[in-house]
Amino acid sequence: DAKTTQPPSMDCAEGRAANLPCNHSTISGNEYVYWYRQIHSQGPQYIIHGLKNNETNEMASLIITEDRKSSTLILPHATLRDTAVYYCIVRVGQAGTALIFGKGTTLSVSS
Amino acid sequence: ETGVTQSPTHLIKTRGQQVTLRCSSQSGHNTVSWYQQALGQGPQFIFQYYREEENGRGNFPPRFSGLQFPNYSSELNVNALELDDSALYLCASSLGSGPQHFGDGTRLSIL
Repeated sequence: DAKTTQPPSMDCAEGRAANLPCNHSTISGNEYVYWYRQIHSQGPQYIIHGLKNNETNEMASLIITEDRKSSTLILPHATLRDTAVYYCIVRVGQAGTALIFGKGTTLSVSS
Repeated sequence: ETGVTQSPTHLIKTRGQQVTLRCSSQSGHNTVSWYQQALGQGPQFIFQYYREEENGRGNFPPRFSGLQFPNYSSELNVNALELDDSALYLCASSLGSGPQHFGDGTRLSIL
């Protein structure tokens, strides 16, 4: 079973920041937080991952709380193309381990 | 940089038949994972291959088998197809335990 809890759906206006929360209260010390998204009819797209520190790349920022029990994915300026299902996954950083997908959050960006 | 490519994109089979799906990993990646995604669900881990050997397996019966070749490409074979095998089959490649990058999948329909 997935070790994360996410809201089933969220709405965001185009141009505004989208903040997607994720709860992972049972995360272990050696587990990373990964974010993927899946646009209809495509494979999941890797967004970002982190262990303890906040991370930023060209797509998004990942904010992890100090106790690591929750995190937030931030899309700074959402566009219509960001409409997708967003998955938050915790995974041990070790070869052979799988990504365990939950139901994710469906983000709808509207103009 | 060439991403993950899968073939064919769509396939129709009948119950009891056998099917082979193919995946070319992203350049520089040495590990391949396979996932099954039923309609409306998140992807489920089938197995992972590293150095041409199975390196982790999910809760799938033995009629799901795979191969990895020296060039790191991979095949997923499913024998004795059942109606419930209808799904999107996703391949993901990675460099060791790094982030997995997905192809757009093969849509398999069983009649």
